[in-house]
Amino acid sequence: DIVMTQTPLSSPVTLGQPASISCRSSQSLVHSDGNTYLSWLHQRPGQPPRLLIYKISNRFSGVPDRFSGSGAGTDFTLKISRVEAEDVGVYYCMQATQFPYTFGQGTKLEIK
Amino acid sequence: EVQLVESGGGMVQPGGSLRLSCAASGFTFSSYAMSWVRQAPGKGLEWVSAISGSGGSTYYADSVKGRFTISRDNSKNTLSLQMNNSLRAEDTAVYYCAKYRPERYFDLWGRGTLVTVSS
Repeated sequence: DIVMTQTPLSSPVTLGQPASISCRSSQSLVHSDGNTYLSWLHQRPGQPPRLLIYKISNRFSGVPDRFSGSGAGTDFTLKISRVEAEDVGVYYCMQATQFPYTFGQGTKLEIK
Repeated sequence: EVQLVESGGGMVQPGGSLRLSCAASGFTFSSYAMSWVRQAPGKGLEWVSAISGSGGSTYYADSVKGRFTISRDNSKNTLSLQMNNSLRAEDTAVYYCAKYRPERYFDLWGRGTLVTVSS
């Protein structure tokens, strides 16, 4: 199974400041079709996850442009350019390159 | 409205059975693969199972293989997860159904249904 490792596990951030979350996979996420199936999700307390980014850097419909994704191969990053109060919660990376699909442990974003 | 609504959760004894359902609306259900993802209390997300749009292909996590069965009824826009005679304490979790896009991401999630396995 592909192991997804996120850092940090907790990130206190000041409102208006940037935040960055790293996600590393135990093997390359490049699929034989040439695509890299790495997505990012956000989960607020008591709510289901919601999709932010798919295929490394594609923002999902309705996701603010302060969210951006980057990376390649085994190393990926989610960046928030200016953190807002509604961004608190847990962020997960997920790989769908091969079964079983696997998630990172989650990174808890909180406001200082 | 585009939505997924899970049901069927509850408390069950170890070794017991449960059937979860997910009612889909607002989109052409048969056109999309679907998955179940679970989250143990206070823990992260774990992919459980997936099924193709036609229902002809199914996939399972090793932790549930042989114990859980995913299925769908496209005439009723319903996804199911049969958890047979084998539930364990470690299966305790909120179970979410999720719509799966061909670009391999989950773009729509239900609110989940809680399964508690305890004596």
